[in-house]
Amino acid sequence: DTGVSQDPRHKITKRGQNVTFRCDPISEHNRLYWYRQTLGQGPEFLTYFQNEAQLEKSRLLSDRFSAERPKGSFSTLEIQRTEQGDSAMYLCASIPVSLNTEAFFGQGTRLTVV
Amino acid sequence: QKEVEQNSGPLSVPEGAIASLNCTYSDRGSQSFFWYRQYSGKSPELIMFIYSNGDKEDGRFTAQLNKASQYVSLLIRDSQPSDSATYLCAVNPSGTYKYIFGTGTRLKVLA
Repeated sequence: DTGVSQDPRHKITKRGQNVTFRCDPISEHNRLYWYRQTLGQGPEFLTYFQNEAQLEKSRLLSDRFSAERPKGSFSTLEIQRTEQGDSAMYLCASIPVSLNTEAFFGQGTRLTVV
Repeated sequence: QKEVEQNSGPLSVPEGAIASLNCTYSDRGSQSFFWYRQYSGKSPELIMFIYSNGDKEDGRFTAQLNKASQYVSLLIRDSQPSDSATYLCAVNPSGTYKYIFGTGTRLKVLA
């Protein structure tokens, strides 16, 4: 257990529904990342926050995806109008503010869109 | 050209042998390099990180970095069946705090 908590661990939803995932990082970690991973691929960067500020967002992220970190603590990732192509593992990672530090990953949320 | 490239494998080695995993990256200004291990259905866990050219050893693992050639490698000595997993290379490109991952190399250690 890295100390990064994600909820839920699994989510099955029907196409077109909205889903929201939560990530609780390690408390003293300022930086929080969201990644998406599909079978046979490495984690794909989605977005990251430093404290409550969203500093970078992948160009691959469509308008259906939104992430927040309102108080610089936990973060949520929402996917609106889910599509089958959204089925993946969604990983959250947190890092202390200093650069060159490992990212601590949560256990992930596995999303299946049916 | 992908930002971080790895051979997807599988790489099969007999138990007790040395496994050699390679990774190349495109951004010459990259500063930080990480090797993660990922078991099937689990999240990535860090094995090693390296910032400077040369070798860095930690137990059975050695990371090697060559910035001029833009590659980083991971050697696993005395490979064990429990080392069977996917090994992900991650790079922190210049000018950003994001981490870019390769597709991973699947390692199989045969007992």
